[in-house]
Amino acid sequence: AQSVTQPDIHITVSEGASLELRCNYSYGATPYLFWYVQSPGQGLQLLLKYFSGDTLVQGIKGFEAEFKRSQSSFNLRKPSVHWSDAAEYFCAVGAPTNAGKSTFGDGTTLTVKP
Amino acid sequence: EPEVTQTPSHQVTQMGQEVILRCVPISNHLYFYWYRQILGQKVEFLVSFYNNEISEKSEIFDDQFSVERPDGSNFTLKIRSTKLEDSAMYFCASSDESGTGELFFGEGSRLTVL
Repeated sequence: AQSVTQPDIHITVSEGASLELRCNYSYGATPYLFWYVQSPGQGLQLLLKYFSGDTLVQGIKGFEAEFKRSQSSFNLRKPSVHWSDAAEYFCAVGAPTNAGKSTFGDGTTLTVKP
Repeated sequence: EPEVTQTPSHQVTQMGQEVILRCVPISNHLYFYWYRQILGQKVEFLVSFYNNEISEKSEIFDDQFSVERPDGSNFTLKIRSTKLEDSAMYFCASSDESGTGELFFGEGSRLTVL
């Protein structure tokens, strides 16, 4: 069975600082990997996805993530955080046989200090 | 930009009542999903739907739940006899023909069971 671990429940960074949100997954083969963002009271928005190919993927809002098979990780990064990035971030893994059936991590809440 | 729309945004119901949550997926999408998020918990897969039938469902999706695509645009989730523990945010999502699992989520319907 597939699973996702987001080790950090809550992260606080200063505006302008860099950000890295951790995600580890468990899946028998190469999974489909996703990062979603959820602002308070809103639905989930896809930031970026990895299916195959280049292990460094670029997403919207200046985010990127790197797939590391050896570490079963798919960490999300942003070089300079903006106050509007404060939200909850979910990593998700999907199986190629039914990629829309995604398993989500518990989420990481990002607070941005002025 | 096309989007997934959900109604109602918030519904309060008494335990034992039937509830129908409605979704209008993106028009050219063929894969449809319901997820739920109990307050403070992770997003959980409920069911996927393709070609007018359920393709996969989770153990949460018991006989109290059903889904339907009654016409060419709507996708509904029915809870036959609501329980207190059904209180959650329910998200509809759709995915395009490629089935690559990139989910487009609606903003959710918050269900409160009293």
